[in-house]
Amino acid sequence: DQQVKQNSPSLSVQEGRISILNCDYTNSMFDYFLWYKKYPAEGPTFLISISSIKDKNEDGRFTVFLNKSAKHLSLHIVPSQPGDSAVYFCAASRRNRDDKIIFGKGTRLHILP
Amino acid sequence: DAGITQSPRYKITETGRQVTLMCHQTWSHSYMFWYRQDLGHGLRLIYYSAAADITDKGEVPDGYVVSRSKTENFPLTLESATRSQTSVYFCASRDREETQYFGPGTRLLVL
Repeated sequence: DQQVKQNSPSLSVQEGRISILNCDYTNSMFDYFLWYKKYPAEGPTFLISISSIKDKNEDGRFTVFLNKSAKHLSLHIVPSQPGDSAVYFCAASRRNRDDKIIFGKGTRLHILP
Repeated sequence: DAGITQSPRYKITETGRQVTLMCHQTWSHSYMFWYRQDLGHGLRLIYYSAAADITDKGEVPDGYVVSRSKTENFPLTLESATRSQTSVYFCASRDREETQYFGPGTRLLVL
């Protein structure tokens, strides 16, 4: 039973445009959400997070939006740059209940020149 | 060097052999985790540990054993390797409310 779903295995976006990566979750007990970025042959690196008490968090070119009623979050990258080409993992946890972070399957983002 | 390291980075073994993957972190983080990454499955949690001598199962623990006698080390053992355990393994660590950091990964091939 997949609790964190990334339904798009891959996404191609023109350089300079906005990249939007989507994520859905099923467990309403999740209260903390994260995005990780992964380059080939490297470990995932933390990108941005959001608590369930917020609906938006921004860090430079990266913004995460949370819609709790729809159990949906999205990562916006504006403007997209070549170095953004990577696999992006959505993740969720119940910070006040247990310590596990559950990851989605990932979306491979290709930034086209 | 500070951070989280994994060894070996690459390993080839045969079915039925015992294999141990090492993970070491220098931050004294309480929590440590083992994930495996497979095509079509993303990152799946194998085992995790909240502190020394405390371990718990994740999503896919079968065929794996862990121990945590010291805070900084969290070895993962495949007692009798199978071809289905061919994967990339990532170790991670964090403190209670902090960001989770991943190691560089170990690529394991079971023949």
